[in-house]
Amino acid sequence: ETGVTQSPTHLIKTRGQQVTLRCSSQSGHNTVSWYQQALGQGPQFIFQYYREEENGRGNFPPRFSGLQFPNYSSELNVNALELDDSALYLCASSFSRGNTEAFFGQGTRLTVV
Amino acid sequence: DQQVKQNSPSLSVQEGRISILNCDYTNSMFDYFLWYKKYPAEGPTFLISISSIKDKNEDGRFTVFLNKSAKHLSLHIVPSQPGDSAVYFCAARAGYNQGGKLIFGQGTELSVKP
Repeated sequence: ETGVTQSPTHLIKTRGQQVTLRCSSQSGHNTVSWYQQALGQGPQFIFQYYREEENGRGNFPPRFSGLQFPNYSSELNVNALELDDSALYLCASSFSRGNTEAFFGQGTRLTVV
Repeated sequence: DQQVKQNSPSLSVQEGRISILNCDYTNSMFDYFLWYKKYPAEGPTFLISISSIKDKNEDGRFTVFLNKSAKHLSLHIVPSQPGDSAVYFCAARAGYNQGGKLIFGQGTELSVKP
């Protein structure tokens, strides 16, 4: 049974560029959530995907968008990058939308310069 | 608006003693509470959870207590071990009909000294 894997682990982008982060969910999980963790803060919910449909969204602008594929892997896309987007981006998968036990990947560290 | 708060950024405990990590919340609609542990360069790892209809849940050395009237929960680790040194996050589930959104506190860094 493989866990949640994210790629890349680190990334440096220039302000205004676009970025795509990827997540492979744990085997048997149909739900993926994305979180942003700024330095010294707890993770903040961006959105959740359940069976390829968005199933809840946090307080993030539309330039944060996502996709979930038939194999339940997922992408997070961020357009028009801003310096404040620099953070650790975490993906979590779970058996259901309820997230009573979500399994996190190791994260992607995004730096916007 | 910080709905889940961990007011202690750090805690230092001697090996073998009890570690108590605290968490306060403001929203009475939260239906599940979870604790995660995070080591540097790793994602958070699920530790233990509790439903809002219970007041205690125990798993080995870890016990979570929920006081709904005070909107307070705590994680007890007994006995503490050096390998427990990590950042601990409490999280609350916003409700099944809100997409399973988890709201996290800021974290408490636990240091267990040998």
